[in-house]
Amino acid sequence: QSALTQPASVSGSPGQSITISCTGTSSDVGGYNYVSWYQQHPGKAPKLMIYDVSHRPSGISNRFSGSKSGNTASLTISGLQPEDEADYYCSSYTGLSTLVFGTGTMVTVL
Amino acid sequence: QLQLQESGPGLVKPSETLSLTCTVSGGSIRNNTFYWGWIRQPPGKGLEWIGNIFYSGSGYYNPSLKSRVTLSVDTSKNQFSLRLNSVTAADTAVYYCARQFWAGWWFDPWGQGTLVIVSS
Repeated sequence: QSALTQPASVSGSPGQSITISCTGTSSDVGGYNYVSWYQQHPGKAPKLMIYDVSHRPSGISNRFSGSKSGNTASLTISGLQPEDEADYYCSSYTGLSTLVFGTGTMVTVL
Repeated sequence: QLQLQESGPGLVKPSETLSLTCTVSGGSIRNNTFYWGWIRQPPGKGLEWIGNIFYSGSGYYNPSLKSRVTLSVDTSKNQFSLRLNSVTAADTAVYYCARQFWAGWWFDPWGQGTLVIVSS
């Protein structure tokens, strides 16, 4: 199974909105509504930000939103803040009871 | 509040077996809604799913690691464990344990992670 494809880096100024894409295939992203997104600050464990494509866990800011179209899922961060600077990873259930992560995206707040 | 903590040797010799344990506190590992998973991250690289296990002992594995991985669970200690045999330098990574929701396969919460270096 191949890693899902994410852009290596995305940047934006404070207050702006950015979108991170996560491209897979019909066997993973496109086939199931089981895409999740994680935020990882340096030296820290990943933190769940979005599950099941577009659901936010309790305590996660509504500035984070998720969506999916075909084989590509997206994470949008609106009103970008300095603390949003981190690495972001998507993941998807693949069927056959396996899971794959994305390649990761470094978000920089300019 | 559920917490997970990885433990085990930080240094393993090539060709030997890496063994880690994840201790769950603040909740029972005997839960029909969650798997218990392992994920690793080589230094400076991305996340890789290793596998997950249900409290009954049934589990799923990353096909690329399946031949070398064994997952187990000890409900009496509220722990689950990872064994990875025949390790090489490529297995050097931070290893995380996490609770994994059975339906959506998302992970929350995660342990803090433990660095395992494979070196002679």
